[in-house]
Amino acid sequence: DGGITQSPKYLFRKEGQNVTLSCEQNLNHDAMYWYRQDPGQGLRLIYYSQIVNDFQKGDIAEGYSVSREKKESFPLTVTSAQKNPTAFYLCASTRAGTYGYTFGSGTRLTVV
Amino acid sequence: RKEVEQDPGPFNVPEGATVAFNCTYSNSASQSFFWYRQDCRKEPKLLMSVYSSGNEDGRFTAQLNRASQYISLLIRDSKLSDSATYLCVVNMKNTGNQFYFGTGTSLTVIP
Repeated sequence: DGGITQSPKYLFRKEGQNVTLSCEQNLNHDAMYWYRQDPGQGLRLIYYSQIVNDFQKGDIAEGYSVSREKKESFPLTVTSAQKNPTAFYLCASTRAGTYGYTFGSGTRLTVV
Repeated sequence: RKEVEQDPGPFNVPEGATVAFNCTYSNSASQSFFWYRQDCRKEPKLLMSVYSSGNEDGRFTAQLNRASQYISLLIRDSKLSDSATYLCVVNMKNTGNQFYFGTGTSLTVIP
């Protein structure tokens, strides 16, 4: 079955560390997205990519980096520059056009 | 002004009740509209797309009013399993095909 796989499900980071969240899809979707969700808040866009080897900053890109070397993969690195990284991170993908998103099951990142 | 705004609720309704949520959007160039459902600590899942002529899926009815720039979701005969947060999502092609999310409306159906 096609879908999006995010890993790990839970991640603990020490202050000052970089961590990378994985997102893989086998839906043959062109566009992929990273969102952050904080308690009581809506989803906020971090980065998105419409095509391989190209990506754009979203509303809250500072302290994050991404790559899109393969159509199937869109990893997100949370760098030490991100001062408040504890959140629920969601990866999504969509076909070109105006179809809705398919989401991964998310990664909960906690700074310890 | 936010691109998409929703009343966060919470809405607490008895089983069997009818409940309606509205969502307003700011960009008249918005092209696609969706309702997502998000259970506690889970990812959002597509509930239904919203078409210009309005559409129904079982107990759920979605409507779009382009003139007033809002979409609505009506749930009839509420079930306990309908308890969740409902997210309004708007797609705007002129902003790089971005999707904008509302903060969600919390619904609890009470026995």
